[in-house]
Amino acid sequence: QQPVQSPQAVILREGEDAVINCSSSKALYSVHWYRQKHGEAPVFLMILLKGGEQKGHDKISASFNEKKQQSSLYLTASQLSYSGTYFCGTEIQTGANNLFFGTGTRLTVIP
Amino acid sequence: KAGVTQTPRYLIKTRGQQVTLSCSPISGHRSVSWYQQTPGQGLQFLFEYFSETQRNKGNFPGRFSGRQFSNSRSEMNVSTLELGDSALYLCASRKRDSYNEQFFGPGTRLTVL
Repeated sequence: QQPVQSPQAVILREGEDAVINCSSSKALYSVHWYRQKHGEAPVFLMILLKGGEQKGHDKISASFNEKKQQSSLYLTASQLSYSGTYFCGTEIQTGANNLFFGTGTRLTVIP
Repeated sequence: KAGVTQTPRYLIKTRGQQVTLSCSPISGHRSVSWYQQTPGQGLQFLFEYFSETQRNKGNFPGRFSGRQFSNSRSEMNVSTLELGDSALYLCASRKRDSYNEQFFGPGTRLTVL
């Protein structure tokens, strides 16, 4: 049930954009995005629910294609602080409360 | 509002021993989930507790168990430790439903020698 993330790693210069993808072989109810900096706990970025509801930080955008069971996280005008590993977590039914995370995408932003 | 706390932060054990990790969720959060994080496998779901009941379980052997107390604090136990159990164990708490984010604790780094 583990979703697949791509790319596995990406290096950006400040100001550049990036897209991180997450796909599942199962029908999804929700997709959650988290960022983890080295040595720290994962921090919430965004939730996307089946049906179109979203909840998250203003500077982060994401999409959820329910037909393809795919989600994408869009990082625009990247800053050095965006560096970290991004994880998507998926739930296959409402109330399941068991997030299955992908293996992560390591993003490095350089000056 | 205090965050999720985990104790101990670091632990060194030898093969065959058992270990108990503790997690105190954010006040008011009744759901606690546990994850194992390793460099190769990422975040692997162990189990989730809500109101003292295990609602979900990941694909881990029976050596991994947990429980939740009436104050929502949770413990995770690993018996007969193996070298492969070395990992960062994270717990996360959340409010009841899927529309709420999980808040992760700092983790317990377990090393099995």
